[in-house]
Amino acid sequence: GAGVSQTPSNKVTEKGKYVELRCDPISGHTALYWYRQSLGQGPEFLIYFQGTGAADDSGLPNDRFFAVRPEGSVSTLKIQRTERGDSAVYLCASSLSLAGGDEQFFGPGTRLTVL
Amino acid sequence: DQQVKQNSPSLSVQEGRISILNCDYTNSMFDYFLWYKKYPAEGPTFLISISSIKDKNEDGRFTVFLNKSAKHLSLHIVPSQPGDSAVYFCAASIASGTYKYIFGTGTRLKVLA
Repeated sequence: GAGVSQTPSNKVTEKGKYVELRCDPISGHTALYWYRQSLGQGPEFLIYFQGTGAADDSGLPNDRFFAVRPEGSVSTLKIQRTERGDSAVYLCASSLSLAGGDEQFFGPGTRLTVL
Repeated sequence: DQQVKQNSPSLSVQEGRISILNCDYTNSMFDYFLWYKKYPAEGPTFLISISSIKDKNEDGRFTVFLNKSAKHLSLHIVPSQPGDSAVYFCAASIASGTYKYIFGTGTRLKVLA
């Protein structure tokens, strides 16, 4: 398909473990975003990339969270020493450019459960 | 500190009638607003947007109204259809400098057949 894809769709891990969540944006989209959605809340911004560089990582909650986009396409969100509070749906979105208000296309999300 | 608020967690409307979803914001720097629709187990899907230089934008059955002085926007769906049943999120962004969306908590719309 031509949409944003995320893998895995579900991830169950134990407290203290390391996890990686992958996002494949729409081909040609230069801007990529990560959001986190907890139960009953709206998506919460984590980080966005323009090309390979993180243009704004102000939403990352702490230094256990890290994201990369080495070739300006696929991105990986990495969470170290997971905690139960990290349980949420992690959404990835991409847009054609960083022009203000450009529509962001969202993937289906990865549901992370930390036991 | 919730900068974008959707105070109604749920709304039920009869098929064919108008649905009105409301959103309030506190940050006067926001200059672009969007509505997204979300079905279970899917990502949010863009519905309609409005720039702060406008007070209305219409796309088929969907109209968004912006009242900047009241820091309030609303989404009107008319006529409502059962397929419109979903969670609707209001989002806001600042076009210059940062492009992240700040989302509200969502309103679950149920359109009754």
